[in-house]
Amino acid sequence: DIQMTQSPSSLSASVGDRVTITCRASQSVFSYLNWYQQKPGKAPMLLIYATSSLQNGVPSRFSGSGSGTDFSLTISSLLPEDFATYYCQQNYRTPWTFGQGTKVEIK
Amino acid sequence: QLQLQESGPGLVKPSETLSLTCTVSGGTISSSNYYWAWIRQPPGKGLEWIGSIYYSGSTYYNPSLKSRVTISEDTSKNQFSLKLTSVTAADTAVYYCARGVPAGLNNWFDPWGQGTLVTVSS
Repeated sequence: DIQMTQSPSSLSASVGDRVTITCRASQSVFSYLNWYQQKPGKAPMLLIYATSSLQNGVPSRFSGSGSGTDFSLTISSLLPEDFATYYCQQNYRTPWTFGQGTKVEIK
Repeated sequence: QLQLQESGPGLVKPSETLSLTCTVSGGTISSSNYYWAWIRQPPGKGLEWIGSIYYSGSTYYNPSLKSRVTISEDTSKNQFSLKLTSVTAADTAVYYCARGVPAGLNNWFDPWGQGTLVTVSS
């Protein structure tokens, strides 16, 4: 299985901060990498697919980049509604696997 | 707008079979443009893909669960289902159903159902 490792596991940030979450794959997944946002008690929601494509309706403050084994999700200016847990997911090879999540908390 | 809703028992005894159904509304599961998936999340933990079913009826399962999992569909009811046999406490989780969106070699899960908590306990 392809292991996905996110860092950090959690972070504290303030409204307006720029935040970057990284995701590393145990082998190359080329550009087959998605990002999801999950709020407490809710289902995950697709944010970004294919490394850098924004899902319809997702604000432009979210962006994704990377290739191969190293990827990142950036929130350019945190808003209160962005405090959540974020997961990366590779779709290069089954079993599809997720990172362990990065919880973004209010400082 | 496509919506998915999981249903099934919230409590299952150890060694028994977990059975869940996902009802899809606002779209048809018979579309060749999508596939359908089950994903689970143990309390306080991360996400695990369980398996998927495709338009052709083909299924793909996570090898870690493959011996115990069956995913099937009922197109007449616009539903797909999950059966997980011989459950243990380790199978306690929120179970989500989701639509898989293939686009070339890429694919992703969108949208997801709200999830249903299944507890394995005697």
